[in-house]
Amino acid sequence: DSGVTQTPKHLITATGQRVTLRCSPRSGDLSVYWYQQSLDQGLQFLIQYYNGEERAKGNILERFSAQQFPDLHSELNLSSLELGDSALYFCASSQGSLQETQYFGPGTRLLVL
Amino acid sequence: AQTVTQSQPEMSVQEAETVTLSCTYDTSESDYYLFWYKQPPSRQMILVIRQEAYKQQNATENRFSVNFQKAAKSFSLKISDSQLGDAAMYFCAYQGNQFYFGTGTSLTVIP
Repeated sequence: DSGVTQTPKHLITATGQRVTLRCSPRSGDLSVYWYQQSLDQGLQFLIQYYNGEERAKGNILERFSAQQFPDLHSELNLSSLELGDSALYFCASSQGSLQETQYFGPGTRLLVL
Repeated sequence: AQTVTQSQPEMSVQEAETVTLSCTYDTSESDYYLFWYKQPPSRQMILVIRQEAYKQQNATENRFSVNFQKAAKSFSLKISDSQLGDAAMYFCAYQGNQFYFGTGTSLTVIP
């Protein structure tokens, strides 16, 4: 158990809908990272937040947005969902913001029908 | 742009033998970290080992060690005395100002 929690574990929704994925980092970690892993694919970095501020941005679609709250938990919002958005979404956390080991949560499995 | 390449989609090893997984990367940054993560069928991402680019000494964690060749931009993972529990997808990852993962190597351990 990495200490990173993600909810929900599974999510099934329809195209065009909007969902919110939630992540709580390890105690003491200030950075949260979001990744997307499509079927049989590697991980694609989406975005990083550090202490409430956006720190780095990867291949995140405009339909997706994220934020980190004062209690350091983070939410990833996915809107206008498409079939291709079906994937495993990982959250990771680290203590600082630069080049530190990331600890991954168990992931949220999203299925868009 | 930084990229991470794992040229071996699949590898197999006999139990108790040694196997090496390859990873190369491309970067213009001088300061970065490299990681190997393991992803078993549960899909949980588990850190195996990490290497700081400024360190010349290769990282070692029990049966896992790396061969880090900075000039060649190569970062291979050696698993010694392979065990059935080592069977998983292994991802090489680069962490500089951005974060990149390779496409993974699926490792099968043969009893």
